[in-house]
Amino acid sequence: AQSVTQLGSHVSVSEGALVLLRCNYSSSVPPYLFWYVQYPNQGLQLLLKYTSAATLVKGINGFEAEFKKSETSFHLTKPSAHMSDAAEYFCAVLKAAGNKLTFGGGTRVLVKP
Amino acid sequence: NAGVTQTPKFQVLKTGQSMTLQCAQDMNHNSMYWYRQDPGMGLRLIYYSASEGTTDKGEVPNGYNVSRLNKREFSLRLESAAPSQTSVYFCASAAGASNTEAFFGQGTRLTVV
Repeated sequence: AQSVTQLGSHVSVSEGALVLLRCNYSSSVPPYLFWYVQYPNQGLQLLLKYTSAATLVKGINGFEAEFKKSETSFHLTKPSAHMSDAAEYFCAVLKAAGNKLTFGGGTRVLVKP
Repeated sequence: NAGVTQTPKFQVLKTGQSMTLQCAQDMNHNSMYWYRQDPGMGLRLIYYSASEGTTDKGEVPNGYNVSRLNKREFSLRLESAAPSQTSVYFCASAAGASNTEAFFGQGTRLTVV
């Protein structure tokens, strides 16, 4: 079975501080991995994706994520939080055979001025 | 570009009533998905369709049925609504190649009383 776990349902950071959101996956083979963001009352939009081309992936809005096979992790970071980063973030894994896309439980980010 | 369009946006049902949530995409995507989003639970996959003519169960299929009407449309039916099905429902589509992102609709907020 394939699943994805996000550690921490809520994260609070100060404006300008590091944002670190954790994601671990369980899979017998390295899957395709994604981070999505959801702003209030909206659908999800892609932040970045890992497709085995490079272990450090850069996305939109200054976010990046590093794929670590030994730790089965794909943590999301941003060096300096901005007020506009307040949103909910979802890690997702795609099973290539069958195109099954499943999500973690989400992490809501609060940015304090 | 319309992208992924869901109808309706809001719906209130009485227990035992039936309804169909509609989803259409105009991006010529092969794969389509239905998720429900509940507080603290992330997005849970209900059903998905890897390609036209195929459908598969996700994590929480009980109480739901789907129809992939054609390549563009993927509907979700609640035959006998229950209060536990109160949720926000999202439809998504993806090209189907393993390294491409999913695009989401704006969601349907369903309340079952």
